[in-house]
Amino acid sequence: DAKTTQPPSMDCAEGRAANLPCNHSTISGNEYVYWYRQIHSQGPQYIIHGLKNNETNEMASLIITEDRKSSTLILPHATLRDTAVYYCIVRGSTSGTYKYIFGTGTRLKVLA
Amino acid sequence: SAVISQKPSRDICQRGTSLTIQCQVDSQVTMMFWYRQQPGQSLTLIATANQGSEATYESGFVIDKFPISRPNLTFSTLTVSNMSPEDSSIYLCSVELHQSTGELFFGEGSRLTVL
Repeated sequence: DAKTTQPPSMDCAEGRAANLPCNHSTISGNEYVYWYRQIHSQGPQYIIHGLKNNETNEMASLIITEDRKSSTLILPHATLRDTAVYYCIVRGSTSGTYKYIFGTGTRLKVLA
Repeated sequence: SAVISQKPSRDICQRGTSLTIQCQVDSQVTMMFWYRQQPGQSLTLIATANQGSEATYESGFVIDKFPISRPNLTFSTLTVSNMSPEDSSIYLCSVELHQSTGELFFGEGSRLTVL
């Protein structure tokens, strides 16, 4: 299973962009990168995913490097409600069955 | 999206007893996953449960300790057997609605405290 490495914590000023990095240097060609976040006491929430191209949705943007060994999740205008633990996941496959292995995550604190 | 209900939401258990956690989904799903989250930690995958087949356990987890049932496409149970204080944790059920999107939906978790 491809592993991910993330900084344990980050701070971001409210209204500014939050850029959360993730290293996944052992990712293989057909493995997707997923981002989830977990707000205190809740189950994780899906944010975005991608394979090779950059992706954007209403929550965030995902930038994947050309060699696919790292990615960055961008929250364009962070709010206090974005304070959470953010997990970068590489979806692995064993005999056609997918599984999602969570790394240690980045604890993002948005400051007023 | 999927709505996932877990029972119990929390429980306090005595050492040596077993507890079964139920996970009910409002739609039919092929893949269900059970995770454990210890205080202040990330999520650890316990096993993958597909309907009609034996659950696939991750390294460090065994069927005798964490038996799983998956009787149909909307329901699963996880039993934590012969509990010890080290089993105190939040146990989360999650489902993958569509393999093509890979979006996981999670229940709110079952918080177990073992005395």
